[in-house]
Amino acid sequence: DVKVTQSSRYLVKRTGEKVFLECVQDMDHENMFWYRQDPGLGLRLIYFSYDVKMKEKGDIPEGYSVSREKKERFSLILESASTNQTSMYLCASSLLGQEQNQPQHFGDGTRLSIL
Amino acid sequence: AQKITQTQPGMFVQEKEAVTLDCTYDTSDQSYGLFWYKQPSSGEMIFLIYQGSYDEQNATEGRYSLNFQKARKSANLVISASQLGDSAMYFCAMRPGGYQKVTFGTGTKLQVIP
Repeated sequence: DVKVTQSSRYLVKRTGEKVFLECVQDMDHENMFWYRQDPGLGLRLIYFSYDVKMKEKGDIPEGYSVSREKKERFSLILESASTNQTSMYLCASSLLGQEQNQPQHFGDGTRLSIL
Repeated sequence: AQKITQTQPGMFVQEKEAVTLDCTYDTSDQSYGLFWYKQPSSGEMIFLIYQGSYDEQNATEGRYSLNFQKARKSANLVISASQLGDSAMYFCAMRPGGYQKVTFGTGTKLQVIP
């Protein structure tokens, strides 16, 4: 089974801090994604990556950056955390390809609170 | 741009009854895939079922089936014989063919009543 592991289930940080959320997958997937989940808004894509050192902006990239130095690891960075970034963050991975039937595999999520 | 609409923020169903969760989508692509995911209160997203736009048969996976009406652009999830463990958020999602990005709906919270 695919395993996507997020480094923390719960995280509390202060306004202005630089925050790192880590995600590791063990199935050699090319694609990795970071989503933010808020009540009533569903999942919104922040960034995704289809290869090492490659990244593309999603729908809400402002205030975030990402790093993918190794294929299995995709990091989300909050450059200067703000209270409106308090949310649930979900990492996912999937196979690269033209076939659209490949589901995304998700980590357990990180509930991030910015005080 | 792709759009997924789930109009039911919350639903109740009696245990052992069937329930339908609605999903409509908007796309100009001819080739696309539709997914349903379940998210229990613990937070993990669980893939349930997939339907391709060119599939002639409705997808089924155990107690889950997808009522796919292409002309109406709807992909409703049907859960038969509901169980207490089905209580969760359910998300509909779409991926256009040839693209890696997936668009999610806002979700439906299903509560199964004993």
